[in-house]
Amino acid sequence: AQKVTQAQTEISVVEKEDVTLDCVYETRDTTYYLFWYKQPPSGELVFLIRRNSFDEQNEISGRYSWNFQKSTSSFNFTITASQVVDSAVYFCALSEANYQLIWGAGTKLIIKP
Amino acid sequence: GAVVSQHPSRVICKSGTSVKIECRSLDFQATTMFWYRQFPKQSLMLMATSNEGSKATYEQGVEKDKFLINHASLTLSTLTVTSAHPEDSSFYICSAFPLSYEQYFGPGTRLTVT
Repeated sequence: AQKVTQAQTEISVVEKEDVTLDCVYETRDTTYYLFWYKQPPSGELVFLIRRNSFDEQNEISGRYSWNFQKSTSSFNFTITASQVVDSAVYFCALSEANYQLIWGAGTKLIIKP
Repeated sequence: GAVVSQHPSRVICKSGTSVKIECRSLDFQATTMFWYRQFPKQSLMLMATSNEGSKATYEQGVEKDKFLINHASLTLSTLTVTSAHPEDSSFYICSAFPLSYEQYFGPGTRLTVT
């Protein structure tokens, strides 16, 4: 069965620290997609990244980076030099052939000034 | 990028009344739309898959007679919460799915039933 685990319920760091949000997934499919979304207090989901199962290259986008490792079924998200505006709930999600998203429980990230 | 709108963004209704939430894809056609609900401090829970021109597919435990979904066109799906009760108070989010692996999410509708 498919499953996405975000073991960190809440993380609190001081501004400018680096922080990594963990995501572990389970799937039997060989073709799948992994996503990260940000949900600020307003509630609107903000798309951050999509990665397909055949592309294990790590990605960097400004202060954000993602580490996809199929060997450990993980797709971790790192924010470098965190800022207060990064405070939000972050969701990791998995999509298989039926296109439905399997969501992790979310990690609440608190960046203190 | 693709834009999905939801209306209303916030609604308060009395117990026993019905509420309709609209989800529109503004700049693309969506053959499939998804409806989610999210309780405070929880993840998104898929309620149903809405396909244009056919009946919606509901997830286990979601009452189809209570949560009526109509996907009458390629740009509009509606969710009607019938005979709403306080326990239906939640954040409802729709997503539109053109023909790729990416879903585009609406901004959500916060429903409060008093």
